[in-house]
Amino acid sequence: DVKVTQSSRYLVKRTGEKVFLECVQDMDHENMFWYRQDPGLGLRLIYFSYDVKMKEKGDIPEGYSVSREKKERFSLILESASTNQTSMYLCASSLRPDNYGYTFGSGTRLTVV
Amino acid sequence: GENVEQHPSTLSVQEGDSAVIKCTYSDSASNYFPWYKQELGKRPQLIIDIRSNVGEKKDQRIAVTLNKTAKHFSLHITETQPEDSAVYFCAASIGQAGTALIFGKGTTLSVSS
Repeated sequence: DVKVTQSSRYLVKRTGEKVFLECVQDMDHENMFWYRQDPGLGLRLIYFSYDVKMKEKGDIPEGYSVSREKKERFSLILESASTNQTSMYLCASSLRPDNYGYTFGSGTRLTVV
Repeated sequence: GENVEQHPSTLSVQEGDSAVIKCTYSDSASNYFPWYKQELGKRPQLIIDIRSNVGEKKDQRIAVTLNKTAKHFSLHITETQPEDSAVYFCAASIGQAGTALIFGKGTTLSVSS
């Protein structure tokens, strides 16, 4: 019954590496989102997409980019990973966020060493 | 940018007591206010939501109230149980047509028996 799948649960990368986090949803949702979750800071919006090939910056886009080539897949890219990007990354999708809220993935715990 | 403030950051209650979590938002265009519960090691799950044309909504032991004039909304949990222990996040819709959600920093609720 899992509807939003993140490809990795745990990931360890080296500083300077290019990192790809993948998210796939099977609910035919138009909207997809990437958040990072840090203790005491809640969930902060990195990027979101409301259509294929469309993207919008969230509150903290610096150091990240995204790709949405197909409706079901939304990728988060760390161009050159840094230690301050060590975090839990949550993907979500929604039909209409202002009516039905989000369905979240189970998260990717990324550690940059 | 727009933000959502959430209080308190931690809340400890005895089983059977009530718990109240309060949020304020800054975007006057926000029209959708969901609440999410996140248990340890799990993804956030939607527990209740309210839209701007409604002042109060109730679902068994949980209720949400909204004061749009004051830009306040609150979560009320009555007859708390140990399984209510979790982190609770409020959120508000932002952007065109409520495309995305911005979250508060979370409240850690502990219910002791």
